[in-house]
Amino acid sequence: SQQGEEDPQALSIQEGENATMNCSYKTSINNLQWYRQNSGRGLVHLILIRSNEREKHSGRLRVTLDTSKKSSSLLITASRAADTASYFCATVGGQGFSFIFGKGTRLLVKP
Amino acid sequence: GAVVSQHPSWVICKSGTSVKIECRSLDFQATTMFWYRQFPKQSLMLMATSNEGSKATYEQGVEKDKFLINHASLTLSTLTVTSAHPEDSSFYICSARDKSVGGTEAFFGQGTRLTVV
Repeated sequence: SQQGEEDPQALSIQEGENATMNCSYKTSINNLQWYRQNSGRGLVHLILIRSNEREKHSGRLRVTLDTSKKSSSLLITASRAADTASYFCATVGGQGFSFIFGKGTRLLVKP
Repeated sequence: GAVVSQHPSWVICKSGTSVKIECRSLDFQATTMFWYRQFPKQSLMLMATSNEGSKATYEQGVEKDKFLINHASLTLSTLTVTSAHPEDSSFYICSARDKSVGGTEAFFGQGTRLTVV
């Protein structure tokens, strides 16, 4: 069964606006990672946040983690058309060190 | 950052033939590698977990005789789709767990698009 659930499933915004995606998970984790996938392509690692961290920044990306609520958010500021992609959260942890993906949020940034 | 190389990036094969996909960690040792399958517009579904030198652990519903996994070294795991059929057409992605950082980070290959005709 899937660990993570992203929401929304799809998001459409104008270039320059901010995009916020959320991810909820079920079990305890060591870390949570966000990935980007362009249509039909492989995954690109965006950012990793560890279970003892609450917020992390990388360029236009801001990730928060709330382990009490078992949730994370990814904020992309000043979005660009090139940010159009699917975004997945993936959690690391649990028995057997499984690495489980959510269903993803499909982001469309209109120029 | 750590690099995982997956090869080939795409392959077309005839029904009934077998296809091998390689996953290599280029600059780190991977104690564990994971194989995923992704259908169009769907998430990645874990197929199996392989540990170097031991048999792979398959997720429920994944046929181990159909999807043969070999993790012969700390830098290489292979997935062989045997007797491929059109329904095996999919996007296959591997990931490798980095042993050197306590094993809490994993990195992904670029994926292999398999089309069975």
